[in-house]
Parts: sequence; structure tokens; C-alpha cells
Amino acid sequence: AQSVTQLDSQVPVFEEAPVELRCNYSSSVSVYLFWYVQYPNQGLQLLLKYLSGSTLVKGINGFEAEFNKSQTSFHLRKPSVHISDTAEYFCAVSGWGTALIFGKGTTLSVSS
Amino acid sequence: GAGVSQSPSNKVTEKGKDVELRCDPISGHTALYWYRQSLGQGLEFLIYFQGNSAPDKSGLPSDRFSAERTGGSVSTLTIQRTQQEDSAVYLCASSLERRGYEQYFGPGTRLTVT
Repeated sequence: AQSVTQLDSQVPVFEEAPVELRCNYSSSVSVYLFWYVQYPNQGLQLLLKYLSGSTLVKGINGFEAEFNKSQTSFHLRKPSVHISDTAEYFCAVSGWGTALIFGKGTTLSVSS
Repeated sequence: GAGVSQSPSNKVTEKGKDVELRCDPISGHTALYWYRQSLGQGLEFLIYFQGNSAPDKSGLPSDRFSAERTGGSVSTLTIQRTQQEDSAVYLCASSLERRGYEQYFGPGTRLTVT
């Protein structure tokens, strides 16, 4: 069975500061890993995905994530956040053509 | 092109009534998923359709929930005898079979059971 743990439910940061949202997963088979973002009152938008190959994945809006197989982690990072990055972020895992298993989400709050 | 669409965007219903939620996937996408997002449970998988194969219903929380997909396109999620704990946002996603790992989400239907 697959599962995802997002280690922080809320992350408050100041504008232009770096941020890391932590995600750990468990799976007995090869997985695909994703980060989705949900802005207030909007649907889910794919930020980035890891399928295979390079462990450093770059996504939209300046976000990146690193797949670490030995630590079963897929942490999301951004070197300098903006107010507009305030949203809820979900880490997810899936196999080929299977449903996504989501973490509980991390609320990123960026203030000036 | 057009994304995944869902209707209605909001639905308020009385406890005990039946409701139907509709999802129109992206044209050509053979896989369709339903998820539920609620405060207490986060994002949960409900059901998955892939082409003409039997759907994976393993996430449906009770036999009050059912879904169908007509003609390999539009899907309807039906909740019978709604309960207050059914209040949530119901999300639909679709994907191309050959790129089954990329799921595109609709805006969701917010269901409130009073």
C-alpha cells in the first residue's frame, strides 16, 4: 500500500524568504510523485512531477523538488516566495494509471 | 483546449435526498477519477474508470455512493440518502491512458447537506 505524509500542516514565512515543504512517502513498488497547489476557492493545479531520471525536478512558479529514494522523500522548495504563493500544497503518489494518494496538505502563508 | 468541467459548482441539499454530480473529462481522455475533499479527511480517492474496464470502486465510502460513465466520456456520481458527513468538495480528474500519471482536475462541486 502507498501512503504520503506531509510533515507540516502549516508553514508561515515572510515574503522573499526561502521555503521547504516536506513530504515523505511509503510504497512497495516504483512510484510517481507529484506536488499540487490549490489556491483559495480554486481547483488543484499540478506544480511538478517526478516520473524517472533526474532526481531534481523543476516546476511552475519557480518551485522545485528533489526525489530522495533512500529517505523516501520528495520535499518541495522555493528560494524566494511571494505573497501570491499563499495556498495549500499537496504531495501525492501514484502508480501507472492508478489513483493519486494525497497527503493531508500543507498551508503556506506568505506575509509581508 | 477545454479542461475538465464539473456541474453544478455548488449544491445544497437536505439530508436524505439523492444528488447527482456530473463530470465532463477532457476530450480523448480515457481515464476518469473521482475524489472527495473534506476538512476532516483531506483528499480521498473514490472511484476510477479506465476505458471499458470494470471500474475500481475501492474508495467508495458506502453503498450509498455509485458512479457511472456513459460512452466512455461523461461521468455521474450519485449519492443516495445524503448525510451531513457527505458534505465536501467532489473533484473529478481525467488522464490519457498512455500518460496515466498526469491527471487534470476539474474545479469541483461543493456539496452541502443540511
